[in-house]
Amino acid sequence: KQEVTQIPAALSVPEGENLVLNCSFTDSAIYNLQWFRQDPGKGLTSLLLIQSSQREQTSGRLNASLDKSSGRSTLYIAASQPGDSATYLCAVRDQGAQKLVFGQGTRLTINP
Amino acid sequence: DAGVIQSPRHEVTEMGQEVTLRCKPISGHNSLFWYRQTMMRGLELLIYFNNNVPIDDSGMPEDRFSAKMPNASFSTLKIQPSEPRDSAVYFCASSLWGHANTGELFFGEGSRLTVL
Repeated sequence: KQEVTQIPAALSVPEGENLVLNCSFTDSAIYNLQWFRQDPGKGLTSLLLIQSSQREQTSGRLNASLDKSSGRSTLYIAASQPGDSATYLCAVRDQGAQKLVFGQGTRLTINP
Repeated sequence: DAGVIQSPRHEVTEMGQEVTLRCKPISGHNSLFWYRQTMMRGLELLIYFNNNVPIDDSGMPEDRFSAKMPNASFSTLKIQPSEPRDSAVYFCASSLWGHANTGELFFGEGSRLTVL
C-alpha cells in the first residue's frame, strides 16, 4: 500500500530565502506526482505535475523534482515571499490507479 | 473555465437533518472525486466517478452517505441523517482521465459543514 510522507509538518523561514519541501513515497511504481498548495479556508490549487518519466518540472519560482528510484520528490521555492505562506501537499498516483494518495502536508510560513 | 464549482460554501445544520452538497466539475472532465478534510484525519477520498459511473466508494464512511452523478456536469453528496462527527470541509475535484491524459486533479473551494 502506497504511503506518502511529508517532513517537516511545519516550516518557518525569513523572506527571500530559497527553500526545499520534501515528499517521500514507499512504492516507486508511480504514474505521476502532483504538488498542491492550500491557503487557509480554500481549496487545493495544483502547482506542478510530474510524470514518472520526467525528472523535474518548473513553473515560475517553483521547481519540482522527482527521483522515482529513491521514492522522493522535492519542491524548490526560490526567493520566498510572504505570499508563499500556505500548506503544501504532495500526492502520488500509482501505476494503473486513478486516485491520488496524499501526504499530510507541510505548513510553510514566510516571515517578512 | 470557471473551475470546479461547489455549493453551498458553508452549511450549518442540526443533528439528524439531511445535508446535500453539490458540485459542477470542469467542462470536459470525465472524472469526479469527493473528498473530506478534517484536522484529525487530513484529506480522505470518499468516492469517485468515471463517466458518471461510481468506480470506488470504499471511502464512504457509512450508509448515511450517498453520492450521485446524474450527468457529466453535476454531482451530489448527501448525508442523511447528519451527525456532529460529519463536520468537515467537503471537497469536489475533477480531472480528465484516459489514454495520454495525466489525470491532473483540480479542486473546488469546498463546502464547510457544521453539524450541531
